Order: sequence, then structure tokens, then C-alpha cells
Amino acid sequence: DADVTQTPRNRITKTGKRIMLECSQTKGHDRMYWYRQDPGLGLRLIYYSFDVKDINKGEISDGYSVSRQAQAKFSLSLESAIPNQTALYFCATSDRGEKPQHFGDGTRLSIL
Amino acid sequence: AQSVTQLDSQVPVFEEAPVELRCNYSSSVSVYLFWYVQYPNQGLQLLLKYLSGSTLVKGINGFEAEFNKSQTSFHLRKPSVHISDTAEYFCAVSEDDYKLSFGAGTTVTVRA
Repeated sequence: DADVTQTPRNRITKTGKRIMLECSQTKGHDRMYWYRQDPGLGLRLIYYSFDVKDINKGEISDGYSVSRQAQAKFSLSLESAIPNQTALYFCATSDRGEKPQHFGDGTRLSIL
Repeated sequence: AQSVTQLDSQVPVFEEAPVELRCNYSSSVSVYLFWYVQYPNQGLQLLLKYLSGSTLVKGINGFEAEFNKSQTSFHLRKPSVHISDTAEYFCAVSEDDYKLSFGAGTTVTVRA
């Protein structure tokens, strides 16, 4: 089983719909992150969380919200999806004091 | 603020030939440096990291990278590539122990 699991792996939806992407981890890490990947732009940080009560905006948080339901679960929501949010979304985790982050396999989101 | 520039967006290379992927960063403080690899339809996997100490860092799958502080570079090398090394490679930098800034990525295509 994967240490960092993202669901769904693929999603196609329409403009204006509410979308939730979910991430769960079995690594026992405190810190969790959401990134989006766009061709030619690399990965950009959307939100990050140090624990259940500590959530912070990244560099591109507009149009997104998150919820840390438990240490192991971190979900990303698009309240009203728009086409320029079409991208590959990654969840990652890291342990306190550990610098490398561990990534899930991604969710490919298409908004028509 | 930290930033990363990957100087080549695409690198075609023949099997068993050497490859070098170039990465330059900008930061006003000491940094931690990483190379990640993304195989098709997969998440990011850590290849190697520089945290401190020896400037020549060895990673998985025969890759190595050299940290050059004066040139603010962290170039990735492999002396002999395989078809299975076809992937996208990302350089990343961190000034602390949680925020990563990624380069735009370099696509390596290995041909027989």
C-alpha cells in the first residue's frame, strides 16, 4: 500500500462545481502539503499544515480551501471550479525536522 | 525569497551516454537542495538531497549532484543512462525545514 494516497486519481468536472480532493497518509507525519503542477511551471504550493490546528496559505491559495480532519487526512476543496484550475494536484507529507517531502501519485483534474 | 531555475526544459540523450541536468538557485541565506524524479503517471520520488557537509552528493539509481555555493548551482549527473531513466526531473530548494520551491522541470528522453 502507498504511504501517501490521493483520491480520486482522475476527475473531470464542469465550471462552477464544488470539488474535493482527498489525501491520506500512513507515515505518521505531522506536516502535510498541497501542490499543483502545471506544464513549464513546476510545482507550486497551495496550502500546508503543521498539525490539525495549524493551516497556512501557500503562494497560490486563492480559489482553494483545505481541511485537516485528522493527522492522517488533508483535503483540498475548490468551492467553484474554473477552467484555469485544470492541473495535476499533489499531496505531500514530511516529518517535523525532516526536510525531504514524500509525495502521493497525484490527482489529474480537468475542468471544462 | 528563494527561487530555482532549471536551464534545460528538454534533454534528449542516447542510452549509455552521460547526462547532466543544470539547476541554479537564488537565495540570501543558506539552503537545502533536492532533486526529485517523476516517472509517467507517478508522483515525485526523491533522488538525492544536500543538507550540509560534502558538496558531492550521491543518490539512488546512479545519480549524483554537486553543490557549488559560489555559483549557486546544484547540477545533477549520471555517467551512463538507461531507457528507464526517461522521466521529468525537478530541482527544489528550501531555506527552512518545510517550504520547497521547485524549478520548472527538465524532461529527459533516453533513446536506444
